[in-house]
Amino acid sequence: KNQVEQSPQSLIILEGKNCTLQCNYTVSPFSNLRWYKQDTGRGPVSLTIMTFSENTKSNGRYTATLDADTKQSSLHITASQLSDSASYICVVSSPNDYKLSFGAGTTVTVRA
Amino acid sequence: DSGVTQTPKHLITATGQRVTLRCSPRSGDLSVYWYQQSLDQGLQFLIQYYNGEERAKGNILERFSAQQFPDLHSELNLSSLELGDSALYFCASSVGTAFTEAFFGQGTRLTVV
Repeated sequence: KNQVEQSPQSLIILEGKNCTLQCNYTVSPFSNLRWYKQDTGRGPVSLTIMTFSENTKSNGRYTATLDADTKQSSLHITASQLSDSASYICVVSSPNDYKLSFGAGTTVTVRA
Repeated sequence: DSGVTQTPKHLITATGQRVTLRCSPRSGDLSVYWYQQSLDQGLQFLIQYYNGEERAKGNILERFSAQQFPDLHSELNLSSLELGDSALYFCASSVGTAFTEAFFGQGTRLTVV
């Protein structure tokens, strides 16, 4: 069973709207959690990285939250743009980054 | 541009054949990671090298092997290819042994026919 579960698997939103992606993990011990954006056929690009003590981190219109107690994270996209259409991947690592666990990703499609 | 270079971008080969994928890390990065991404699947970690030595191993098949050379570029060798090996193969690099801010290359799309 995957130690990082993302939901929804995919979603479609209208340009200008907001959306929230979820990431639940069971990785333990926990070191940090990252969100990546991956355009189709391209390499993933890091959006945010949060350690155990961080609750929120923003990168432009992207805001990630982390609740290390419940082992949940979310990625909120504000005022979506067509260029936000991509797969968003949650990655959780253990101390020393010796073990990385990747979520299957959420595919976001933004329509005009 | 992440600074990580992967060649070739596309590769089509027949079952049973052997191919080599190449990765040049960002300048100054000592770690190289290889990942496999099959259609509609998440990234699967294959193997990590740090400064020429194998550091961590993931779900890498015995038919696959990798190495990192003194100039820090890395090669992933895939042999006895099967249809199921068709996937995107990504390389990432980071300064140290931690994946803290690893940067990904654009990937090599391998199609086995």
